[in-house]
Amino acid sequence: ETGVTQSPTHLIKTRGQQVTLRCSSQSGHNTVSWYQQALGQGPQFIFQYYREEENGRGNFPPRFSGLQFPNYSSELNVNALELDDSALYLCASSPPGANVLTFGAGSRLTVL
Amino acid sequence: GQSLEQPSEVTAVEGAIVQINCTYQTSGFYGLSWYQQHDGGAPTFLSYNGLDGLEETGRFSSFLSRSDSYGYLLLQELQMKDSASYFCAAVSGSARQLTFGSGTQLTVLP
Repeated sequence: ETGVTQSPTHLIKTRGQQVTLRCSSQSGHNTVSWYQQALGQGPQFIFQYYREEENGRGNFPPRFSGLQFPNYSSELNVNALELDDSALYLCASSPPGANVLTFGAGSRLTVL
Repeated sequence: GQSLEQPSEVTAVEGAIVQINCTYQTSGFYGLSWYQQHDGGAPTFLSYNGLDGLEETGRFSSFLSRSDSYGYLLLQELQMKDSASYFCAAVSGSARQLTFGSGTQLTVLP
């Protein structure tokens, strides 16, 4: 079975730009969560999608938004990029109600 | 708010046993998970404790005490490949989201 795949793996943007990150969930997993991991820190919960709807949100501003598609893949969009948005963005998938997340390797975003 | 505390660094030698402690303050708490992350890699699931007590999976064991808001990860027969960051994470909320600690960097020496 394939795991969680994310794209792109690395990208560089400038302040004020917008970015879209993509995630394909593991086969059979219909819940997708996004986390932001700053250097040297633990991941922080951004939001979760289940059945194409946002199912929970962490302490992130509205310029962080997402989508889930019928095939359970997902996108994370960040508008008006700020320098502090530089981080590793991790996507994780799980079966509904499961306590085990399968993470992708992440998208490394650098904002200049 | 939600917070988890764990040591920032631990060093041990091959074959030894190491314990990584984690204390938490989390509302809507369901349980405590542990993840391993090698440099540049994806976090990988190690264990989950939903109830008090010890869970054992091979060389790794994890413990939870809800009354003490405390848990630990025990790694036995350490190997060089165990050198990585280890995160405790509280599972909480309607989305069963994870709130992670800042991680413990484990270095295993030969």
